[in-house]
Amino acid sequence: AQTVTQSQPEMSVQEAETVTLSCTYDTSESDYYLFWYKQPPSRQMILVIRQEAYKQQNATENRFSVNFQKAAKSFSLKISDSQLGDAAMYFCAYRSIVNTPLVFGKGTRLSVIA
Amino acid sequence: DVKVTQSSRYLVKRTGEKVFLECVQDMDHENMFWYRQDPGLGLRLIYFSYDVKMKEKGDIPEGYSVSREKKERFSLILESASTNQTSMYLCASSLGQGWTGELFFGEGSRLTVL
Repeated sequence: AQTVTQSQPEMSVQEAETVTLSCTYDTSESDYYLFWYKQPPSRQMILVIRQEAYKQQNATENRFSVNFQKAAKSFSLKISDSQLGDAAMYFCAYRSIVNTPLVFGKGTRLSVIA
Repeated sequence: DVKVTQSSRYLVKRTGEKVFLECVQDMDHENMFWYRQDPGLGLRLIYFSYDVKMKEKGDIPEGYSVSREKKERFSLILESASTNQTSMYLCASSLGQGWTGELFFGEGSRLTVL
């Protein structure tokens, strides 16, 4: 079974600085999807960014980008120019290309310091 | 915009009570999911459904059942609530065919069992 590991339960960053959240996963499959989801305090979880494993190019969405290292099974999220609104729980998730549910990591709580 | 609505944001129940958590989505999504979220444990899949009247067990189905009589509604049932079921419950939905993995979440139902 696939597993997703987030080794940083909590992190903090100064406003306007850059922070990187780590995620590793374990799979024997060659094609799959990886995701970062954001859960702001008392609000709905939303998708931040998605990466298809067959794409070598790292996904980017405005201030959010990933460093996808397929051989190392690593999928980190970089947040540039951090803002107070980035404070949230961030979950890394994996999904096979077969229609199976997402597998989530345990999450990283990010605090942004003004 | 996709809207996933969970009927109750906060519930307090007694041990042994039967508890219903309702979830409705308005985007004609085929797939629906129930996750449980606990600090330090991340999101764990309880049950999911890929179609009306279909259900599949997730990773932690014990003590729970589900019902999907209509496409837009997916109910989670605790037949006899116990204190270890105190948790945040998240409902999510997604497309079916061609699903690339994006989940749309409700705001969550925080259940306390006394």
